[in-house]
Amino acid sequence: GAVVSQHPSWVICKSGTSVKIECRSLDFQATTMFWYRQFPKQSLMLMATSNEGSKATYEQGVEKDKFLINHASLTLSTLTVTSAHPEDSSFYICSAHKGETYEQYFGPGTRLTVT
Amino acid sequence: KQEVTQIPAALSVPEGENLVLNCSFTDSAIYNLQWFRQDPGKGLTSLLLIQSSQREQTSGRLNASLDKSSGRSTLYIAASQPGDSATYLCAVGTGNQFYFGTGTSLTVIP
Repeated sequence: GAVVSQHPSWVICKSGTSVKIECRSLDFQATTMFWYRQFPKQSLMLMATSNEGSKATYEQGVEKDKFLINHASLTLSTLTVTSAHPEDSSFYICSAHKGETYEQYFGPGTRLTVT
Repeated sequence: KQEVTQIPAALSVPEGENLVLNCSFTDSAIYNLQWFRQDPGKGLTSLLLIQSSQREQTSGRLNASLDKSSGRSTLYIAASQPGDSATYLCAVGTGNQFYFGTGTSLTVIP
């Protein structure tokens, strides 16, 4: 199988603070991971593509200085929401693809609430 | 940019019915297409993956088809059960990027 984990599963933080979310591929190596956000009753929107050992590629409209992505190893990518505001409250999901089929495996998601 | 649309947005059926969910995409140059299920407040569960060279995939009561030239995919669910109630998402892969559809919220009534 291919398992992707995320930590934490939910977090509440105060406005102005920073929050780090981890995404790990548990039983395979992932050179590329993806970060999505999902607002209530909406679909997933790709935020950025995280490449091991290099800078992330951000989608148009996503502030790279606000959403810091680090992919330091083949099994770990982190998303840090800096100076969080209530409008950053959302469900953040990461994914990784394994092998040549490019099938994506998703983490369970992290619910962020900024008060 | 790839745009993915799912119709209908919501569907309610009595238990036991067969049903079809539709997914359409604007750019036929895809690598694969994947169907997911999402329960409220949860992450995504992969249901079926169809490579661009394939026409369909089956898993249990689920059958997904792909017509790349017309930009369409369907997910067929046979003999629906209340446990099938969830949001179903299709996603089109272009190699290193995935574009998600808007989702179909399915309710199966006992």
